[in-house]
Amino acid sequence: GNSVTQMEGPVTLSEEAFLTINCTYTATGYPSLFWYVQYPGEGLQLLLKATKADDKGSNKGFEATYRKETTSFHLEKGSVQVSDSAVYFCALSDSDSNYQLIWGAGTKLIIKP
Amino acid sequence: NAGVMQNPRHLVRRRGQEARLRCSPMKGHSHVYWYRQLPEEGLKFMVYLQKENIIDESGMPKERFSAEFPKEGPSILRIQQVVRGDSAAYFCASSPQGVENSPLHFGNGTRLTVT
Repeated sequence: GNSVTQMEGPVTLSEEAFLTINCTYTATGYPSLFWYVQYPGEGLQLLLKATKADDKGSNKGFEATYRKETTSFHLEKGSVQVSDSAVYFCALSDSDSNYQLIWGAGTKLIIKP
Repeated sequence: NAGVMQNPRHLVRRRGQEARLRCSPMKGHSHVYWYRQLPEEGLKFMVYLQKENIIDESGMPKERFSAEFPKEGPSILRIQQVVRGDSAAYFCASSPQGVENSPLHFGNGTRLTVT
């Protein structure tokens, strides 16, 4: 079946470091891919998405490119801040619905000043 | 504009008791979704409701679990005779009516611990 695999956390970085959180998926067809973020004490919120191969989603300095050849959607940011500390979830949608998402387990990111 | 409100944030129940989790969607949202996150796993869809209707319950366990979204008041996820395996984080999300593929707005979740 379809699945999403994320790198295990926690990931600990210093402020201004380069961030990569790996996400790979298995799916039939052409799924849409998402990154959600959960800041401490808050609900999950959509960070960025891509709906077809080679699309790049971007928001708040974060980017992820939909790579069909490597079935990946890695999240990157050039210079992280303490305020980026959160749990990041990768997800895919293999249907037309916006709620039948398949989720990764989440990666906790800790940024130290 | 308040976001999706879930309560309680933490709930502890002994085996065999009932757990009631509440979710108030964002103002103007009439679609509610419940998800469960077991430790070390991703979120799993449970049920999708609109006011007074269950639209999709394909992810809901067949026994002990039920959900409702009455005309007035919050959506309720009810777990009867809880077991240790029900310990998880339960997230609620909402979206507006008539907006296809609109992003979901999530609450902070309820952490259920069964002792």
